[in-house]
Amino acid sequence: GENVEQHPSTLSVQEGDSAVIKCTYSDSASNYFPWYKQELGKRPQLIIDIRSNVGEKKDQRIAVTLNKTAKHFSLHITETQPEDSAVYFCAAVPSGSARQLTFGSGTQLTVLP
Amino acid sequence: DGGITQSPKYLFRKEGQNVTLSCEQNLNHDAMYWYRQDPGQGLRLIYYSQIVNDFQKGDIAEGYSVSREKKESFPLTVTSAQKNPTAFYLCASSIDRGRAGNEQFFGPGTRLTVL
Repeated sequence: GENVEQHPSTLSVQEGDSAVIKCTYSDSASNYFPWYKQELGKRPQLIIDIRSNVGEKKDQRIAVTLNKTAKHFSLHITETQPEDSAVYFCAAVPSGSARQLTFGSGTQLTVLP
Repeated sequence: DGGITQSPKYLFRKEGQNVTLSCEQNLNHDAMYWYRQDPGQGLRLIYYSQIVNDFQKGDIAEGYSVSREKKESFPLTVTSAQKNPTAFYLCASSIDRGRAGNEQFFGPGTRLTVL
């Protein structure tokens, strides 16, 4: 089955700096890669996703890049703010699945004021 | 956010007891999912259902059971066979557009503690 690895597990940045979280996946046929943000005590919420026919997608301060050849994708947050502090999860949809997601282990992002 | 609900928010159980976690959605979604979340391990899939009266095991189904008698409901039973049931349980749902990869909407979760 699919295996998703996520790094780093914790990340601290100064407010205004950029943050980058990286994920690798094992199934080359995976074709959907969402990112979820989970604030403390709350439910995960989708912040951005990318499909395999696209190399990059951007939404204001958030962007995701996908390298299908290397089987990795990354989340980029620019001009970080304290409210960006949360746990971020990447995920992938493996081939032949009934659309269930395989999640990475999460990154605790802390934005220092 | 209000489209998918879980109850109760906190649940305490004695060892050896079965307990059922509720998940309801009014989003008219076809697919529903149960995940378990442990610190530092992300979300792991327990069971999922794409259609009423059908469900499939996920990666960690042992010690759990589900039913899908109605489209809007997908209850999870944690049985006494689950060796380490203390965890945060998340239910999710998604629309099935016939292709892989649709946004999953999560419920607020149930925190289960076995005493």
